[in-house]
Amino acid sequence: KNQVEQSPQSLIILEGKNCTLQCNYTVSPFSNLRWYKQDTGRGPVSLTIMTFSENTKSNGRYTATLDADTKQSSLHITASQLSDSASYICVVRGGSQGNLIFGKGTKLSVKP
Amino acid sequence: NAGVTQTPKFQVLKTGQSMTLQCAQDMNHEYMSWYRQDPGMGLRLIHYSVGAGITDQGEVPNGYNVSRSTTEDFPLRLLSAAPSQTSVYFCASSSTGTGVYEQYFGPGTRLTVT
Repeated sequence: KNQVEQSPQSLIILEGKNCTLQCNYTVSPFSNLRWYKQDTGRGPVSLTIMTFSENTKSNGRYTATLDADTKQSSLHITASQLSDSASYICVVRGGSQGNLIFGKGTKLSVKP
Repeated sequence: NAGVTQTPKFQVLKTGQSMTLQCAQDMNHEYMSWYRQDPGMGLRLIHYSVGAGITDQGEVPNGYNVSRSTTEDFPLRLLSAAPSQTSVYFCASSSTGTGVYEQYFGPGTRLTVT
């Protein structure tokens, strides 16, 4: 079954610290992997989109990695800010119909 | 550009009532879709459209109808609301429904069915 699993479910860190969120997937065939940020009460906003051949992609303080062999991705946030408090959703496009398959998200809280 | 807009932002319905959730985009995107987001679950695809006049079912289509008469608009209809349809609904659009094209989400409609 095509699935996207994220860990941890939730995370609390202090402002200025770094953190890494994990995503494992079993989607086949694989097309691309996306990370979205969803602020409370808002729609998801794309951070990165990575294809099979891309290992690392950065967007400001956000760096995503992809290991297509082990079917794992991570999102690293550097020097966290209070505005980073949000849910981060890993999404894989793939499967027989090429649909987007969503993880349940990691809820990040950045405390002052 | 306004991007993807959704109305209303909040709605309370009684069981059996009907309503239409509105979605519009001004980016001339061919692909539009509706998702629902429930606590502890990932977003699930309800219906999608690859262009005006063309719609298809997603993962959880029961209880919902859609139509696409124009490129800009993609309304979602609940014919007879049920408590199980209490959820947050997101509309999204992109250039196409495949590949690496960016998917843009609306702000969501929070629906409660009592």
